[in-house]
Amino acid sequence: AQSVTQPDIHITVSEGASLELRCNYSYGATPYLFWYVQSPGQGLQLLLKYFSGDTLVQGIKGFEAEFKRSQSSFNLRKPSVHWSDAAEYFCAVGIGGATNKLIFGTGTLLAVQP
Amino acid sequence: DAGVIQSPRHEVTEMGQEVTLRCKPISGHDYLFWYRQTMMRGLELLIYFNNNVPIDDSGMPEDRFSAKMPNASFSTLKIQPSEPRDSAVYFCASSYRATGELFFGEGSRLTVL
Repeated sequence: AQSVTQPDIHITVSEGASLELRCNYSYGATPYLFWYVQSPGQGLQLLLKYFSGDTLVQGIKGFEAEFKRSQSSFNLRKPSVHWSDAAEYFCAVGIGGATNKLIFGTGTLLAVQP
Repeated sequence: DAGVIQSPRHEVTEMGQEVTLRCKPISGHDYLFWYRQTMMRGLELLIYFNNNVPIDDSGMPEDRFSAKMPNASFSTLKIQPSEPRDSAVYFCASSYRATGELFFGEGSRLTVL
């Protein structure tokens, strides 16, 4: 069955430090992969997506992610974290050949220390 | 432009009562999704529509749940009768074509006592 795993439930980083959030997926075909961010009390917002082509994708707010087929991973990175990045981050995979039917991971809650 | 609008933002009801959640998608979007978010189960896709037609309702937990989209600008998710285990945040999202970019509303937090 298709699934998305985010192994880190909670991560704390210092402001200005680099960030990497892990995501592994299970899907038989070429996946459509996404990262969304959720601020407290808000809905989710798309950060970036991968459909095909260049395996390193750039997103909004200075985020990037790299698709590694051999590792079934799509990790999210940011070189320097800002306090406003504190939020919950969700990895998702589009299944059934549909880029709109998304299965989300359980999320990683990011805290940023001053 | 207005985003996805959901109402009510908060709903507290008693077990056995009917609950209706409402959603107005972004104008021009042709897909509409209902998700449920809980601590235990995370984000679950309940149902989605394309051009007002339900495409996949396999995530609807049971017959107590129903969703309609009578026109392109309005959808409802109804729970009848409600149970305490239905307590969750229900999100509506819309998108234009199959881009994978879903625009989420702020959610409706449901508490069933």
